[in-house]
Amino acid sequence: DGGITQSPKYLFRKEGQNVTLSCEQNLNHDAMYWYRQDPGQGLRLIYYSQIVNDFQKGDIAEGYSVSREKKESFPLTVTSAQKNPTAFYLCASSPGTANTEAFFGQGTRLTVV
Amino acid sequence: KNEVEQSPQNLTAQEGEFITINCSYSVGISALHWLQQHPGGGIVSLFMLSSGKKKHGRLIATINIQEKHSSLHITASHPRDSAVYICAVKGDSNYQLIWGAGTKLIIKP
Repeated sequence: DGGITQSPKYLFRKEGQNVTLSCEQNLNHDAMYWYRQDPGQGLRLIYYSQIVNDFQKGDIAEGYSVSREKKESFPLTVTSAQKNPTAFYLCASSPGTANTEAFFGQGTRLTVV
Repeated sequence: KNEVEQSPQNLTAQEGEFITINCSYSVGISALHWLQQHPGGGIVSLFMLSSGKKKHGRLIATINIQEKHSSLHITASHPRDSAVYICAVKGDSNYQLIWGAGTKLIIKP
């Protein structure tokens, strides 16, 4: 079955370490997105990619980096520069940015101790 | 003011009750999504709407484009329906989803 896979579901890291969250889709979608959720708030856009080898900053990109070397994969790295990395991270994809459809991963809950 | 507002923020009900969660938005949209997030768990997409009404099991979602409002209904609610329900809209002029803050639903047996 086609879908989006995020791994792992829970992730723990020590403060000061970079950590990479995985997002893979087999839907042949061009557009992929990363969102962050903090308690009691709506999700906010970190980065998005409309096509392979291209990506754009969202509303809260500081302290994060991404790559899009393959259509299927859009990994997110939370760097040590991110001041409050503990959060829920959600990956999504759509056939194109203008398309109404969106598909969602299960999310990764990152805890930095 | 947020572009997507959900109400209520929290809702506690008894098993069997009919549940309504509301979502109002202030932007033009091409689609609206309802998602479910279980405690500590991941997110499940429930519906994508651009007009009218959709039904899946005990869940019903409606949207009124003119009034910029959508509702999610749960009939014969059950404790396993306890979760956070999130509304998100896809704007008709840009690329991203705009998310509501979520409604936390608790169904007591």
